[in-house]
Amino acid sequence: GQQVMQIPQYQHVQEGEDFTTYCNSSTTLSNIQWYKQRPGGHPVFLIQLVKSGEVKKQKRLTFQFGEAKKNSSLHITATQTTDVGTYFCAGEAGAQKLVFGQGTRLTINP
Amino acid sequence: NAGVTQTPKFRVLKTGQSMTLLCAQDMNHEYMYWYRQDPGMGLRLIHYSVGEGTTAKGEVPDGYNVSRLKKQNFLLGLESAAPSQTSVYFCASTRQHPVAGYEQYFGPGTRLTVT
Repeated sequence: GQQVMQIPQYQHVQEGEDFTTYCNSSTTLSNIQWYKQRPGGHPVFLIQLVKSGEVKKQKRLTFQFGEAKKNSSLHITATQTTDVGTYFCAGEAGAQKLVFGQGTRLTINP
Repeated sequence: NAGVTQTPKFRVLKTGQSMTLLCAQDMNHEYMYWYRQDPGMGLRLIHYSVGEGTTAKGEVPDGYNVSRLKKQNFLLGLESAAPSQTSVYFCASTRQHPVAGYEQYFGPGTRLTVT
């Protein structure tokens, strides 16, 4: 079946440093979504990318969808302690189902 | 709006016991999902429903059953709990609308321990 791989699994940074997580799918995706889960919380939707090569920004967060629609990335500029959590990508697997990556857990040293 | 709610929040079961997890949403969403989350495994789809009265298997359906008798409710049942079912269970719903969007709204989760 479809697989979505996400790297790295963990990332520890100093506050103010940048952070990037990468997502790769074994198949072409119709769209990709990104979610954030705070420690002890539930996943919360961040954004959806649909078009090949699409780039979207939300303040310090930049999301990219690859030209082949098989990979995506999330980049955070100048991390803050509020960015702590696990970031998941999720690809549409048809029939209104999502396949989630394993997530990247971000911890920040203030 | 309460969004997506889950009952109970925590539960400890003994091997072989049964239980039902309840998910309710007040957003009139057609699609509902049950996931389990284990360390390092991300979220894995157990079962899902694309409308009242319909259910379908996801990635890891064995040992679970579901029912969607009412549009707002999605029940997840464990007939005979096993330690391998120790996990955090999340319910989610979505409108799946081409204009409004496809984002999934998650409930707060149920932490289940099977001893």
